[in-house]
Amino acid sequence: GENVEQHPSTLSVQEGDSAVIKCTYSDSASNYFPWYKQELGKGPQLIIDIRSNVGEKKDQRIAVTLNKTAKHFSLHITETQPEDSAVYFCAATFLGGSQGNLIFGKGTKLSVKP
Amino acid sequence: DAMVIQNPRYQVTQFGKPVTLSCSQTLNHNVMYWYQQKSSQAPKLLFHYYDKDFNNEADTPDNFQSRRPNTSFCFLDIRSPGLGDAAMYLCATSERWGKLQETQYFGPGTRLLVL
Repeated sequence: GENVEQHPSTLSVQEGDSAVIKCTYSDSASNYFPWYKQELGKGPQLIIDIRSNVGEKKDQRIAVTLNKTAKHFSLHITETQPEDSAVYFCAATFLGGSQGNLIFGKGTKLSVKP
Repeated sequence: DAMVIQNPRYQVTQFGKPVTLSCSQTLNHNVMYWYQQKSSQAPKLLFHYYDKDFNNEADTPDNFQSRRPNTSFCFLDIRSPGLGDAAMYLCATSERWGKLQETQYFGPGTRLLVL
C-alpha cells in the first residue's frame, strides 16, 4: 500500500545548529505535504506545508523542500532552540481508495540540547 | 480563537464499559476526523465525516462508532473498550475533502486509559 518513510527516527542537535528531517512517499499523485510538530501530551500542530506546484517554502526558521521527481521532501529548522524539541511528523496525501487521506510518517523525535 | 476542542483531556474507563469521547470545532469546517495514536506511533485514521457523510476506514474495528449530530460536534463511541484501545484519540477538521487536500487542524487529544 501507499506509505511515507521518515528519517531519522531520533535526532539530537546542539542549540543553534540546524536540523533536517527527510521523508519519501510512494504515491506519485500526492500533491500536499504538511509537517506537524507534536509536543508531549498534546495534539499535532501544523508548522508548515507545501503543495506540489512549489519546490520550496520558508517561514522564519523553518523551511520545506519538495522534489517531486524523486518523491521526497524535507524539513529544515535553522538556529534550533530548546523549545523546538518535540516529535515531528511528515505526511502526504494518498489519492487512492480513500481520496484525500493523509498518510503520516512514523515521526522524528528531535532533542535540542542547550 | 477558532479551534478544535476535545473533552475530556483524560478519560479512564473499565474494560468492556462503553465510553464516549467528544470533539467540537469553531472553524465551521465540513470535514471532521478521528485518529487513534498509540505511544511513539503516527496517528492512524479511524473514520471521517464529510458533512453528514460517514466514511469508515477498512481496518477500523466495529467496536468504534461515531456520531456527528451537527457541523460543530463529533463523538467517538467505543462500545466495549479493550486494553489494546488505550491510546490518545485525536480529532481533526478540514474545510473540504477531495483531491485538493485541505489542511487538517488537530485538537489537543483525549488520552484514554482502560483498566
